[in-house]
Amino acid sequence: AQSVTQPDARVTVSEGASLQLRCKYSYSGTPYLFWYVQYPRQGLQLLLKYYSGDPVVQGVNGFEAEFIKSNSSFHLRKASVHWSDSAVYFCAVSVSHQGGSAKLIFGEGTKLTVSS
Amino acid sequence: GPKVLQIPSHQIIDMGQMVTLNCDPVSNHLYFYWYKQILGQQMEFLVNFYNGKVMEKSKLFKDQFSVERPDGSYFTLKIQPTALEDSAVYFCASSLLGGLEQYFGPGTRLTVL
Repeated sequence: AQSVTQPDARVTVSEGASLQLRCKYSYSGTPYLFWYVQYPRQGLQLLLKYYSGDPVVQGVNGFEAEFIKSNSSFHLRKASVHWSDSAVYFCAVSVSHQGGSAKLIFGEGTKLTVSS
Repeated sequence: GPKVLQIPSHQIIDMGQMVTLNCDPVSNHLYFYWYKQILGQQMEFLVNFYNGKVMEKSKLFKDQFSVERPDGSYFTLKIQPTALEDSAVYFCASSLLGGLEQYFGPGTRLTVL
């Protein structure tokens, strides 16, 4: 069965520190992977995506993620966090279906708090 | 980035009533989705829709749920009748093609009393 696991429900880092949010997926097909961010009472905003090619993908606001196939992982990183990065981060895998349709399977989310 | 709009932002109704949630997807997108998020929990897929048809639905998409997009207007999720467990935030999303990145609306918070 397809699934996404984000093992850290909550992460707190100091402003200016580096960040890694972990994500592991389970999917037998070709994984299309995504990170989304959700600010309070808002919808999801796409941070970055991986379809193929270079396993390190760059996203908005200095975020990047690395696809490691052997580990079924797609961890999110940022070199220096800002207080405005405080939000909930969701990792997701696109699972294809017949007729070209697909759905996103989300992880449980990681709530990031950046302290000053 | 591309914008998905949802109307209304909040809806409070009594159990057993009908409710329609409206979504205005990105204009050139072809695939449309509904997801459900219960407070503090992960986003869960409900249904996807393409070319006027439901392509896939999850077990959360009960018989009381229906979706449609008549003549390129709003993509709607209708619940009739509603139940207490339908209280959640419902997110609409759209994508140009299946499998590609999905763009999400701000959600409709549905409270069933």
